[in-house]
Amino acid sequence: NAGVTQTPKFQVLKTGQSMTLQCAQDMNHEYMSWYRQDPGMGLRLIHYSVGAGITDQGEVPNGYNVSRSTTEDFPLRLLSAAPSQTSVYFCASSSLSGKGGYTFGSGTRLTVV
Amino acid sequence: DAKTTQPTSMDCAEGRAANLPCNHSTISGNEYVYWYRQIHSQGPQYIIHGLKNNETNEMASLIITEDRKSSTLILPHATLRDTAVYYCIVRGGTSYGKLTFGQGTILTVHP
Repeated sequence: NAGVTQTPKFQVLKTGQSMTLQCAQDMNHEYMSWYRQDPGMGLRLIHYSVGAGITDQGEVPNGYNVSRSTTEDFPLRLLSAAPSQTSVYFCASSSLSGKGGYTFGSGTRLTVV
Repeated sequence: DAKTTQPTSMDCAEGRAANLPCNHSTISGNEYVYWYRQIHSQGPQYIIHGLKNNETNEMASLIITEDRKSSTLILPHATLRDTAVYYCIVRGGTSYGKLTFGQGTILTVHP
């Protein structure tokens, strides 16, 4: 049981480039979310999904797109990277009941230069 | 979701119980109290959650006051590996995926 898998673990982008952060879970969880964490700060919600085909914005959605075509995958797309998007990105999933809480991935460390 | 208030930092001696408080005075009847921790720069780790009754698992105990306005996470025998940021989060109702993290409590366990 792999849990939540995030790829890549590290990435350096140039300003203006686009990329997709991958997130996959094998627990058949309905809820999936993306968070970013800046140095010395708590996690902030970017986008979340309550099931395939359903997504919604979180606290800091600007500059990011998501889609949920399957239960397992929830990719996060950066449309045109900016230095302000330098951060650590965490993907998380949870069952509809919330039992067992959220399971988080190990994170993607993104630097935009 | 209800807002939570936690102390910024706490210290604990290794082997002793660590008691981490959390205030959530605006919690509503269908909201749960969740505790997570984040060790260094790893992804947050779920610890425990509860609604009304006290809860215990292999990691910790959760004590919720009768009026549900506050709770305490108890690590019964803290070790150096328990040094982390601990987050108290209230979630429930129609909040679905909106797990909102505050600043948390930095727990430092000393030898």
